[in-house]
Amino acid sequence: AQKITQTQPGMFVQEKEAVTLDCTYDTSDPSYGLFWYKQPSSGEMIFLIYQGSYDQQNATEGRYSLNFQKARKSANLVISASQLGDSAMYFCAMREGRIPGSSNTGKLIFGQGTTLQVKP
Amino acid sequence: DVKVTQSSRYLVKRTGEKVFLECVQDMDHENMFWYRQDPGLGLRLIYFSYDVKMKEKGDIPEGYSVSREKKERFSLILESASTNQTSMYLCASSLSGLAKNIQYFGAGTRLSVL
Repeated sequence: AQKITQTQPGMFVQEKEAVTLDCTYDTSDPSYGLFWYKQPSSGEMIFLIYQGSYDQQNATEGRYSLNFQKARKSANLVISASQLGDSAMYFCAMREGRIPGSSNTGKLIFGQGTTLQVKP
Repeated sequence: DVKVTQSSRYLVKRTGEKVFLECVQDMDHENMFWYRQDPGLGLRLIYFSYDVKMKEKGDIPEGYSVSREKKERFSLILESASTNQTSMYLCASSLSGLAKNIQYFGAGTRLSVL
């Protein structure tokens, strides 16, 4: 079963506007973490923002914020005041809590990604 | 800054060749990972290692093996390359035992098997 779902293969946004990239997840573990990464055309994955399942407030990092709705199992990324340099592919990922008997290495499960294009 | 270095950005190999992809990290991270990335499929975990000489299979280990003889280096081996292994390969590393255990990635190796 798909554990991380990004339903938007591609998105367009006008420069200086805000954009929301969707991410839904599925887990029965009460302890988990959610990550967003950016992958420019150069290929390197860049960490953007993290939300822990027990965090009381939505995470924010500069122009990035995470709209965490636990009951709906969604963790949407909001980029405010889009810039041309935000054009990239964005991945949502989840780390589940420790599974008894397995090594707790912080494995991540990634979504399919959303390609964002910022228009001038 | 954390640096994860992959030995090649682009590789072209022939079917049946043995292929080595090398990854080195400089932050003393316990965990290292190999992913492949294909359009529409996101990143899929091939293998990971949580300590020197320790490894576990990921979601798609078939056709691959790994080696971790030193903490900073994690190698992915394609024993006999096939065309369906043409893909982008990404290496990552992270600290162990943290809730916010960010994975840091290399720039990727784009492998073409002809």
